[in-house]
Amino acid sequence: EAQVTQNPRYLITVTGKKLTVTCSQNMNHEYMSWYRQDPGLGLRQIYYSMNVEVTDKGDVPEGYKVSRKEKRNFPLILESPSPNQTSLYFCATGTGGVEKLFFGSGTQLSVL
Amino acid sequence: RKEVEQDPGPFNVPEGATVAFNCTYSNSASQSFFWYRQDCRKEPKLLMSVYSSGNEDGRFTAQLNRASQYISLLIRDSKLSDSATYLCVVSTGGFKTIFGAGTRLFVKA
Repeated sequence: EAQVTQNPRYLITVTGKKLTVTCSQNMNHEYMSWYRQDPGLGLRQIYYSMNVEVTDKGDVPEGYKVSRKEKRNFPLILESPSPNQTSLYFCATGTGGVEKLFFGSGTQLSVL
Repeated sequence: RKEVEQDPGPFNVPEGATVAFNCTYSNSASQSFFWYRQDCRKEPKLLMSVYSSGNEDGRFTAQLNRASQYISLLIRDSKLSDSATYLCVVSTGGFKTIFGAGTRLFVKA
């Protein structure tokens, strides 16, 4: 079954404690992307990757890092989380880029 | 001004009603347009792409007006299961996507 798997589903942490949200896809898609969703703001793109070892900033990259060492994995790293990074995060993949995006089930992050 | 703007609603309609949403975008270089559906706190799912000539998928019709820089979604014969948030998505042709904040629809029996 084609899947985009995000973990964890829920995460509560404290300011400054490094964390990683994992994203894995089994659809052999080249394109992967991370978004955060906040009330009234919609989904905002954090980083995206066109292929292995190729990443670029989206609209709100500050405070985040990503890596794409393998085609199937695209982890989101928060080196020093802050309360303003409390949000609902989604990973997405696609074939030709943005033509059709498949989303993971989301990660609700709370930074205290 | 936001790059993609939608009326947040909510739109409250009875079953069987026809409802229309609009979405405006600010970048005239935008090339690709989509409507996604999102159920409460769940992942967005592609509803339909929007083509220049307009397109229809069952009860759903999407239109694009490049001159006025807006896209629309029309839902006919609304069902209870249509209750969701509808997200307008715009791309300038690269790999960046801009999502609208969404329009909430409630369909009541």
